[in-house]
Amino acid sequence: DTEVTQTPKHLVMGMTNKKSLKCEQHMGHRAMYWYKQKAKKPPELMFVYSYEKLSINESVPSRFSPECPNSSLLNLHLHALQPEDSALYLCASSRDGTGGYEQYFGPGTRLTVT
Amino acid sequence: DAKTTQPPSMDCAEGRAANLPCNHSTISGNEYVYWYRQIHSQGPQYIIHGLKNNETNEMASLIITEDRKSSTLILPHATLRDTAVYYCIVSGEGSNYQLIWGAGTKLIIKP
Repeated sequence: DTEVTQTPKHLVMGMTNKKSLKCEQHMGHRAMYWYKQKAKKPPELMFVYSYEKLSINESVPSRFSPECPNSSLLNLHLHALQPEDSALYLCASSRDGTGGYEQYFGPGTRLTVT
Repeated sequence: DAKTTQPPSMDCAEGRAANLPCNHSTISGNEYVYWYRQIHSQGPQYIIHGLKNNETNEMASLIITEDRKSSTLILPHATLRDTAVYYCIVSGEGSNYQLIWGAGTKLIIKP
């Protein structure tokens, strides 16, 4: 099974709301990633978790808060977002964060901030 | 910044081989060449990767030049479902093994 699942598929939220995006994989991978993708642009790395510890934070604003409760789950907590945060949010996983392993991506959550 | 250069778009006839070029003239010895694709509104899909040798799997072949400064992804018998943006990415120890995405090539397969 090479599937990464993400919920919800679509999310509309106001600027004062708090919401969470969820990601799950059952491939035994120990690295998990969050990316943001704006329309017609390539994905941009936001966070990397390696062995359930945050290893990379690409200077992401604090209104985005990642969490890795266990090796299979990755959450992205959202609070006080801005309309410019509207994008496709992609989760990915890989065997670990080093050594040339490929990343497997979920289908993404399409987020609209109103 | 991305370490690769790809043409912004290409066309290919259905049933023919699609050859997608990528330049990575500043690649270092321990960096891999990865290819991913993204079909419209879907998550990216891993295709293939290599270090020095040519590689082949059920989806594609990857040809890396001897000096490793360029590579070509070959889809042997393109179908309409292969229409996507194809990303060539160089990744290794220098980038903490992370994927730094360039603009990619929009490949359109025509009937």
